Amino acid sequence: DVKVTQSSRYLVKRTGEKVFLECVQDMDHENMFWYRQDPGLGLRLIYFSYDVKMKEKGDIPEGYSVSREKKERFSLILESASTNQTSMYLCASRLQGSSYNEQFFGPGTRLTVL
Amino acid sequence: AQRVTQPEKLLSVFKGAPVELKCNYSYSGSPELFWYVQYSRQRLQLLLRHISRESIKGFTADLNKGETSFHLKKPFAQEEDSAMYYCALSGRQGAQKLVFGQGTRLTINP
Repeated sequence: DVKVTQSSRYLVKRTGEKVFLECVQDMDHENMFWYRQDPGLGLRLIYFSYDVKMKEKGDIPEGYSVSREKKERFSLILESASTNQTSMYLCASRLQGSSYNEQFFGPGTRLTVL
Repeated sequence: AQRVTQPEKLLSVFKGAPVELKCNYSYSGSPELFWYVQYSRQRLQLLLRHISRESIKGFTADLNKGETSFHLKKPFAQEEDSAMYYCALSGRQGAQKLVFGQGTRLTINP
């Protein structure tokens, strides 16, 4: 079974803080993704990485950056947290070239910015 | 542009009644469509994909290219079907990115 883990289930930060969200997968997947999940808006793609040290902006990258130094780990960074970044953050991974094209999700990190 | 629309934020039906969750998409090429589900306190997971043409947990979904729809159906709802459902689109077979709809929260009443 693919296992995607996220470093925290709940996180509370203050406006202006630098925030790191970590995601680790154990199935040697090339592709990794960061989404935010908001009621009424569904899942929106922030950034994705199709391999180590490679990244591409998603639909809402403003205010975020990412790091992929190792294949199994994909970090989301909020350079200066703001209240409108309060949300549920989901990480996912996918096997490159998979005909099944399934993304495997982590449990999520609920971030509150005060 | 790729877009997925789920017109119902909330859907409530009685146990044993038929269920249909609507999904419409916008894409100029040949899309690959998916339904993902999130049960309470569980992670988001794939329910089914149109290419597989399979029935999972009694659910089916048919891709209608003429109406650009991919509605999810089940003839007899069960209480354990209560969950959040997301329709998603991939621009071409094997592409990395998914575009998700807004989600529909399905509640099955006893």
